[in-house]
Parts: sequence; structure tokens; C-alpha cells
Amino acid sequence: DGGITQSPKYLFRKEGQNVTLSCEQNLNHDAMYWYRQDPGQGLRLIYYSQIVNDFQKGDIAEGYSVSREKKESFPLTVTSAQKNPTAFYLCASSPPFGGQGGELFFGEGSRLTVL
Amino acid sequence: AQSVAQPEDQVNVAEGNPLTVKCTYSVSGNPYLFWYVQYPNRGLQFLLKYITGDNLVKGSYGFEAEFNKSQTSFHLKKPSALVSDSALYFCAVKGGYNKLIFGAGTRLAVHP
Repeated sequence: DGGITQSPKYLFRKEGQNVTLSCEQNLNHDAMYWYRQDPGQGLRLIYYSQIVNDFQKGDIAEGYSVSREKKESFPLTVTSAQKNPTAFYLCASSPPFGGQGGELFFGEGSRLTVL
Repeated sequence: AQSVAQPEDQVNVAEGNPLTVKCTYSVSGNPYLFWYVQYPNRGLQFLLKYITGDNLVKGSYGFEAEFNKSQTSFHLKKPSALVSDSALYFCAVKGGYNKLIFGAGTRLAVHP
């Protein structure tokens, strides 16, 4: 089945460690996104990528990094510089806007807890 | 700058009654509006969208939304609520570069 796969589902990290969250899609979508979800704050955009080998910072990019070496993959690294990394992270993808109206397709999320 | 507001943190409704989850928006130009639903520890599922055309948009699971340009609103509705509709609902508006800007979410609780 086509979709977006995020892994791991749950991740625990010690302070000072970098962690990488995986996001893979087989929908042949060009654009991919990372959002962070905190209780009562909705979703906030961390990074997005419209095409391979190109990505832009979102609203809360500090302490995060990404790469887009393949169309199917958009991993997110949460670095030790991120001061409050405990959150639920959601990856999404979308086709070009003119094609299907712009809705995003989401993965099941990764919950990161810093101990 | 584009934004959306969901004025209610939680909506409570009895099963079988109609439900409304409110959303207002602020955009320059024509809005592209979306509703998503999220169940606990899950990703977001797309319900419906308004791009252009009829102000009443029908979506998944019997949900619909009414676009009102004069009131800058896009309220989500369902004629008869089910207990299984209990979830977190997000309204969103398209920003630049095909990004979506989300509201804070409204928790819907449907009681038997």
C-alpha cells in the first residue's frame, strides 16, 4: 500500500544526544514536511522540502537538521542544541499543489522523549 | 500572514446530536482551507478541503464544512455525532510554498 512510514514510533534519548527520525514515502510525492506537535499548540513546521536536494527552514528550525538526498526519504535529526525536544513529530508529503489541491498526507508520527 | 483560529479547546456533544467545530481564518487572497482529524498517538487524517466552488463541502465519515467568506469561517459539521467521532480536530489554511498552517486543535468528546 502507498503511504508514509515513520520510524521509530517511540524513542527515548538522553540529554546531549543527537537522534534521527526516519520518514519514507512511496507516494511519488515531490514535497515533504516535518511538523512538531505539542499539547495545545497544534502543529508547527520545522523544515520542508519541495524537491530533492533542496529544503527550507520552517517556523521552528533551530536545533534540527534535515537532508533530502532521495525523493522518497526526508530524515530529521534532532540535535543536542534543541532545548526542549520532547514532542510528537509528524512527517507529511504532498504532490505539486496544482495537482490535487494541496492537502498533506501524514505518517503515524514518532514520539520522542528526552530523559 | 495567514492564520487560523479554533476558539474552542473542547466541544462536548451527546451521541446522535449535531456537532459543530469552529474555525476562523485570516488570509490575503482566496483561502484554501482544510480539516484533519487525529486519534490518540496517530497521524492526521484528511477529512475535507475547500478550494473553490460550493460553500458547503462534503468529506469523509459524514462530515461537512461550510465556507463563509463574509465571516471568514470554515466550521466543521456533522448532523448526527457518533462516539467514535471523539478525537482531536485541526483546521488548516494553505500558506506559501504549499505549506499548511494549523490551528491549535479542538478536542471533540461525544458522550453516549
